[in-house]
Amino acid sequence: GENVEQHPSTLSVQEGDSAVIKCTYSDSASNYFPWYKQELGKRPQLIIDIRSNVGEKKDQRIAVTLNKTAKHFSLHITETQPEDSAVYFCAATAGGRGSTLGRLYFGRGTQLTVWP
Amino acid sequence: NAGVMQNPRHLVRRRGQEARLRCSPMKGHSHVYWYRQLPEEGLKFMVYLQKENIIDESGMPKERFSAEFPKEGPSILRIQQVVRGDSAAYFCASSLEPGPALYEQYFGPGTRLTVT
Repeated sequence: GENVEQHPSTLSVQEGDSAVIKCTYSDSASNYFPWYKQELGKRPQLIIDIRSNVGEKKDQRIAVTLNKTAKHFSLHITETQPEDSAVYFCAATAGGRGSTLGRLYFGRGTQLTVWP
Repeated sequence: NAGVMQNPRHLVRRRGQEARLRCSPMKGHSHVYWYRQLPEEGLKFMVYLQKENIIDESGMPKERFSAEFPKEGPSILRIQQVVRGDSAAYFCASSLEPGPALYEQYFGPGTRLTVT
């Protein structure tokens, strides 16, 4: 099955700096890559996603890049703020094969801390 | 538009008891996914259901665990004869009909199960 690796596991930045989180995946058939933000004790929230027919997507201070050849994708947060502090998870689909369509494989998460 | 609802939010069970976790998807969503999250880990896929159908249960232990999504009412994840290792947060997510929108999964607040 799909294997998603996420790095780093913890990341500390100063307010205003940029943060980058990287993920790799193993299944070349994967075609959808969402990012979730989870604050302590709360639900994972979809913050941005990218599909395999696109190389980059941006939404205000958040951007995601995808390199299908290398099978890796990254989350970029610019001008970080203390409220960006949370655990961020990357995920990938198993690809459009039969009953596995729809299931997501998650990375282990990155604890981002933004210091004021 | 109400989001994904889960109840109870916290559940304490003694070893050997049964746990029943309920999930109501977002309005208009007919696809439900259950994930388990252990402390400081990512989310692990358990089961994917549509109304009255189990599509993919390959992530769910074969013994003691079962899931259903009846024609009427919420989806239910049932754990029989719970053990301490079942203690975790159980998240439900839902998505729209098949197509590009299928992949966008929105999560409920989770049920935190503690087995004593």
